[in-house]
Amino acid sequence: NAGVTQTPKFQVLKTGQSMTLQCAQDMNHNSMYWYRQDPGMGLRLIYYSASEGTTDKGEVPNGYNVSRLNKREFSLRLESAAPSQTSVYFCASSDMRTRQETQYFGPGTRLLVL
Amino acid sequence: AQTVTQSQPEMSVQEAETVTLSCTYDTSESDYYLFWYKQPPSRQMILVIRQEAYKQQNATENRFSVNFQKAAKSFSLKISDSQLGDAAMYFCAYNGNKLVFGAGTILRVKS
Repeated sequence: NAGVTQTPKFQVLKTGQSMTLQCAQDMNHNSMYWYRQDPGMGLRLIYYSASEGTTDKGEVPNGYNVSRLNKREFSLRLESAAPSQTSVYFCASSDMRTRQETQYFGPGTRLLVL
Repeated sequence: AQTVTQSQPEMSVQEAETVTLSCTYDTSESDYYLFWYKQPPSRQMILVIRQEAYKQQNATENRFSVNFQKAAKSFSLKISDSQLGDAAMYFCAYNGNKLVFGAGTILRVKS
């Protein structure tokens, strides 16, 4: 039982390049989330998916797109990377999108945009 | 909008002693959940403890306990018998209909 996994662990991009961050969970959770973590700040929600087939914007969605490929996988795409998107990205999942949810996090992807 | 404030950017504690990390939040809701997450240097976010707002009893998990003051909107974390492995960044988080994090407190443990 691996929990939440993310690939890659680290990536360097040039401004304008595109890439997709992958996330998968094996806990049979309905809800999945993408966050970014910047220095001096807590995690901020980019996008979430309450269930397979649905996605919604979070606090900081600009410059990102997501795809809920199936119940296990939730990808985050940067179409044209910008230096402001240099950050650590976390994927998380939870059993249901209610107030009782405890979110379980992946190990993070460190992204550097030059 | 809900906000979470951690007023201590950094704290230090001697091994085996007790330390308390502060957290306050702002909300107009009456039903919500509060969490403390630990982030060690590995960056993995680990759930430490969870508190349901409608429960008056403070949550406890082994050496970790909270002091939840609903009227004051305060949710502090107490770590007893601190260990070297407790050194990490600690995040307080509020969940009404989405999870909102504080900026974090770095905890250093001295041997």
